[in-house]
Amino acid sequence: AQSVTQLDSQVPVFEEAPVELRCNYSSSVSVYLFWYVQYPNQGLQLLLKYLSGSTLVKGINGFEAEFNKSQTSFHLRKPSVHISDTAEYFCAVSKTDSWGKLQFGAGTQVVVTP
Amino acid sequence: SQTIHQWPATLVQPVGSPLSLECTVEGTSNPNLYWYRQAAGRGLQLLFYSIGIDQISSEVPQNLSASRPQDRQFILSSKKLLLSDSGFYLCACYRRDSGNTIYFGEGSWLTVV
Repeated sequence: AQSVTQLDSQVPVFEEAPVELRCNYSSSVSVYLFWYVQYPNQGLQLLLKYLSGSTLVKGINGFEAEFNKSQTSFHLRKPSVHISDTAEYFCAVSKTDSWGKLQFGAGTQVVVTP
Repeated sequence: SQTIHQWPATLVQPVGSPLSLECTVEGTSNPNLYWYRQAAGRGLQLLFYSIGIDQISSEVPQNLSASRPQDRQFILSSKKLLLSDSGFYLCACYRRDSGNTIYFGEGSWLTVV
């Protein structure tokens, strides 16, 4: 079975500052990795995903994440945040043969202030 | 790309009453469909998934059931709601030829009182 740990439940950050959201996973088999964003009272939107290939993945809205197999991590970063980045961010994994069956972390609430 | 419709968007139901949440998908055929639940302050948990009409798998034991009467329709039901059924329910859709991306609907808020 897989598990996902998001190490920070809430991350306050000032506008235009960088942000890093940490995600660690455990799995005995190969996995795909995802970051989703949830704006208030909305569904989930895919930010980026790692399937294979380059370990640095670029997503929408200026986000990127790096897959580190040895550390079983998939941290999300953005060099300069905007007020509109205030949202909850979820890290998720799925087994490579189980598309759509995602195991989610508990989420990280990002609050961007001026 | 797929469009996922969920309704109702918000629902307040008394304990012991029945439930029916509906999800329909446009712009695709033969998708895998999923129901996830997000309880307050927690991450998302997979409840059911379906690879085709009348083919439903349950991931966790619970007070809920799911049905897929048509290829692009996925229904979440309960005969008698519990307080613990409150949460945000998300329908999701996957097709391998859609870039290996899982799409989510806008969700349905259920409050059991």
